[in-house]
Amino acid sequence: QSALTQPASVSGSPGQSITISCTGTSSDVGSYNLVSWYQQHPGKAPKLMIYEGSKRPSGVSNRFSGSKSGNTASLTISGLQAEDEADYYCCSYAGSSTFYVFGTGTKVTVL
Amino acid sequence: EVQLVESGGGLVQPGGSLRLSCAASGFTFSSYEMNWVRQAPGKGLEWVSYISSSGSTIYYADSVKGRFTISRDNAKNSLYLQMNSLRAEDTAVYYCARAESDRGAVGVDWGQGTLVTVSS
Repeated sequence: QSALTQPASVSGSPGQSITISCTGTSSDVGSYNLVSWYQQHPGKAPKLMIYEGSKRPSGVSNRFSGSKSGNTASLTISGLQAEDEADYYCCSYAGSSTFYVFGTGTKVTVL
Repeated sequence: EVQLVESGGGLVQPGGSLRLSCAASGFTFSSYEMNWVRQAPGKGLEWVSYISSSGSTIYYADSVKGRFTISRDNAKNSLYLQMNSLRAEDTAVYYCARAESDRGAVGVDWGQGTLVTVSS
C-alpha cells in the first residue's frame, strides 16, 4: 500500500487561505469517508485536526476545514496565522487488509 | 486529562528485540482501540499496528508483520509493542495513540513518543 500523495510544501501570508491536497485511490480515500488530518510541530506529537473528512474535534479552530472529492481529500486553513506553521499529514482508512495509510506530509510555511 | 506515556525505547543491535510500553490514564482504557504509529528521523508518519478495545482484533502494517506483536493489559491500563528481529529501518520515534476507528481517527490523543534506534 503506497502512501497518500501530498504536496511537499505549501506557503501563504498571514490572513490568507491555503489548501493541502491528499490524493489516494479508490481503495482508500475514494471508498471511505474516514480521512483524518494531523498537525505536527517540530519535536512534538501529532495533533488531530479533522476526522471523518470534515469534522473538527473540540478545541480545534474553525479556521481548519476538510473536504473530499473522489479520491482526493483536502485541508483548508483560512486566516493563516504564524502558529499554523507546521507539518500536516492526512490519513485514511484503507480496508481490513491495509487498515490505515498516511499521507507523505506537507510543510506549511507562513511567510 | 488524557495521558499516554511511552517507555522502553533505546539503542538495540540489528536482529535484537525491544518491548515498548504505553501507560494510559485519564480515560477508560478498556473502552478504546489503540494504535502504534512511528516516525523515522526526518520522515513522515507510518501506521504500525492496531488493537481493539478487548484485544480480540489486531492488525499490522506489512513492514512489521511477523516481527512485531501488539498487546494490551486492560487491568493495568497499558499497551505494549513487542519488537523482534529489528532492522535499521525500524529506527523511529514510536507513538501510542488512542483511536476512534469509526470516525477514521488513527489518533485522537497521542503520547510524546519513545525513540528506538537500531544500529550496531
